[in-house]
Amino acid sequence: KAGVTQTPRYLIKTRGQQVTLSCSPISGHRSVSWYQQTPGQGLQFLFEYFSETQRNKGNFPGRFSGRQFSNSRSEMNVSTLELGDSALYLCASSLNGQGYGYTFGSGTRLTVV
Amino acid sequence: GIQVEQSPPDLILQEGANSTLRCNFSDSVNNLQWFHQNPWGQLINLFYIPSGTKQNGRLSATTVATERYSLLYISSSQTTDSGVYFCAVDLLPGANSKLTFGKGITLSVRP
Repeated sequence: KAGVTQTPRYLIKTRGQQVTLSCSPISGHRSVSWYQQTPGQGLQFLFEYFSETQRNKGNFPGRFSGRQFSNSRSEMNVSTLELGDSALYLCASSLNGQGYGYTFGSGTRLTVV
Repeated sequence: GIQVEQSPPDLILQEGANSTLRCNFSDSVNNLQWFHQNPWGQLINLFYIPSGTKQNGRLSATTVATERYSLLYISSSQTTDSGVYFCAVDLLPGANSKLTFGKGITLSVRP
């Protein structure tokens, strides 16, 4: 079966712009989580969606938001980009977010200039 | 919040050598997973192992939940094993799970 698909793979944006990243989970998986990876902070949890509802949120400013559609595909949006938002953004899908069987996508590498 | 510490931070091996990677965590956990991050950034799930021992080919893992640590064993290492190994845990049983990651162990296997 197809894995977790993230698009785009690479993105370059200018400070102040906004960006939208997409994640298509494995078919049948209803939970989608987002993580940010930076050299300084490592891998940090952003938020988790299940059945179109945000169930859990990490410690990130309100500029970071997301949503999930009825087909379980998820998008995350970052508004008013800052240089520090440059990172690898990883999406993980699981059957129901019960904490096992997470499958990660290849990530979107965002560079803010 | 929970602390996840991995050691050693860096490891250099000659091809064919064995190694042990360690993960300590500061609280009782509901889930523990080991991941390998390949050069392209993707996190590959190696083991879901909240307790006990599992083996998959040259890799095996053991988690001693009562003592709050997990070990990942790599035997007969190959150059393709190079990359960063992460341990990740979550606290909450049931829904609303989120993974807390360690800082990772960078493994370099030389031919």
